Amino acid sequence: ETGVTQSPTHLIKTRGQQVTLRCSSQSGHNTVSWYQQALGQGPQFIFQYYREEENGRGNFPPRFSGLQFPNYSSELNVNALELDDSALYLCASSLEQGAGGYTFGSGTRLTVV
Amino acid sequence: TQLLEQSPQFLSIQEGENLTVYCNSSSVFSSLQWYRQEPGEGPVLLVTVVTGGEVKKLKRLTFQFGDARKDSSLHITAAQPGDTGLYLCAKGGGGGSNYKLTFGKGTLLTVNP
Repeated sequence: ETGVTQSPTHLIKTRGQQVTLRCSSQSGHNTVSWYQQALGQGPQFIFQYYREEENGRGNFPPRFSGLQFPNYSSELNVNALELDDSALYLCASSLEQGAGGYTFGSGTRLTVV
Repeated sequence: TQLLEQSPQFLSIQEGENLTVYCNSSSVFSSLQWYRQEPGEGPVLLVTVVTGGEVKKLKRLTFQFGDARKDSSLHITAAQPGDTGLYLCAKGGGGGSNYKLTFGKGTLLTVNP
C-alpha cells in the first residue's frame, strides 16, 4: 500500500500571495488532517476532512481553507500569505476520523518572503 | 497553546548512553502517543499508551504512562546515532470526538557517534 504523499516538497511565496498544497491519502483512508509545524514547535492542528466535509478546525483564520475530493485526496489553501505562515505543513490520513492512528506525509516546506 | 510540556527541549549525548525524556500535562488524558520525526520527514508513530501505569517496550525504547495518566516518559537504552530526531508526545487521535492530535513542542535528541 502507498503511504501519504504531499506536493510540492518545498515552496517559496511572496507575502500576500495565495498557495495550494496537495495531499494524497494512504490507500483505504477516508480522513485527512492538516497540521502546521513552525520551526522549533510541535505540529498544530489546522483542520480535518472526513468524507469530503470539514470535520473540525483548529485556531486558524478563515484564510486557511481546504477541500477533500471523492478519492479522499485533499488540498490546503492559504490566502493573503503572511511571513508567519512560513512552516512545514503536514498532512495525515487515517481511517474513520483517526481510528487506528494517523499516517503522516513528509510535509511541504513553505517559505514566505 | 501547547497543553503538553516536554522536557528537556534539547538533548545531545554520546552513542551508548542512556536517556529519558518526559511529557507532562496538568490534565488527564485518555491516551498518549509518542512519535519520532526525522529532519525533512513527517512524524512516525512509535507507540500508543492507554492504561495508567502501562509500560511498553519497543527494542531499546521503553515507554511508561503515569498511574494518574497525566505524564509519560520515554527511556532509550544504549542510544545510537539512528535514534537522532525530534521526539513528540501527543494526546488525542483516538477517533470519534477525540480525533484531533495535540502535540507537545518535542525533545530534539542528537546522538553523536
